[in-house]
Amino acid sequence: QKEVEQDPGPLSVPEGAIVSLNCTYSNSAFQYFMWYRQYSRKGPELLMYTYSSGNKEDGRFTAQVDKSSKYISLFIRDSQPSDSATYLCAMRQGNAGNMLTFGGGTRLMVKP
Amino acid sequence: DTAVSQTPKYLVTQMGNDKSIKCEQNLGHDTMYWYKQDSKKFLKIMFSYNNKELIINETVPNRFSPKSPDKAHLNLHINSLELGDSAVYFCASSPYDSRAKNIQYFGAGTRLSVL
Repeated sequence: QKEVEQDPGPLSVPEGAIVSLNCTYSNSAFQYFMWYRQYSRKGPELLMYTYSSGNKEDGRFTAQVDKSSKYISLFIRDSQPSDSATYLCAMRQGNAGNMLTFGGGTRLMVKP
Repeated sequence: DTAVSQTPKYLVTQMGNDKSIKCEQNLGHDTMYWYKQDSKKFLKIMFSYNNKELIINETVPNRFSPKSPDKAHLNLHINSLELGDSAVYFCASSPYDSRAKNIQYFGAGTRLSVL
């Protein structure tokens, strides 16, 4: 079993829908939680960053972390075709070294 | 002006060959990384260098040898290539600060195909 689990999808939604992407993890030492977006044939780019439990909102994107359940989510409101990409969750422990552990990514397709 | 650049973008080679991938960052970061992404999109850390010094070396065959001539460059040399080495290899960089957001900036990737 991998440390970070993520449904690979693909997830297909119509334009304007609310999208929910999720990851579960097993290592309780993880304290920093991130979502990366990766377009086809490109490198991942950071979308959202959260420390410990709670919510964080940035425009149409909301990241939630529930450390008690070892569960993180990314919500996308009013989804657009340009949101079509693979979304990777990533997390790391609180110590230095900056090693990230990634989920396998969820492929999202937003249809016009 | 590309922040993290990798060359080549595509690499097709025969089993048993030796090849290198180069990475350069112009962000002034102290830490650089190599990741391997397999066909299922699973992204796994291979190495991490901080200011030319190796700080992370995950379970990677010793056929893979990173080299950091200075903190802006981290190259990856692979000896005796095997079919299972076929993947996309990403270079990344970030500031080295445990309080920082740990924003890792990724290159566009090098697609390696071993025939």
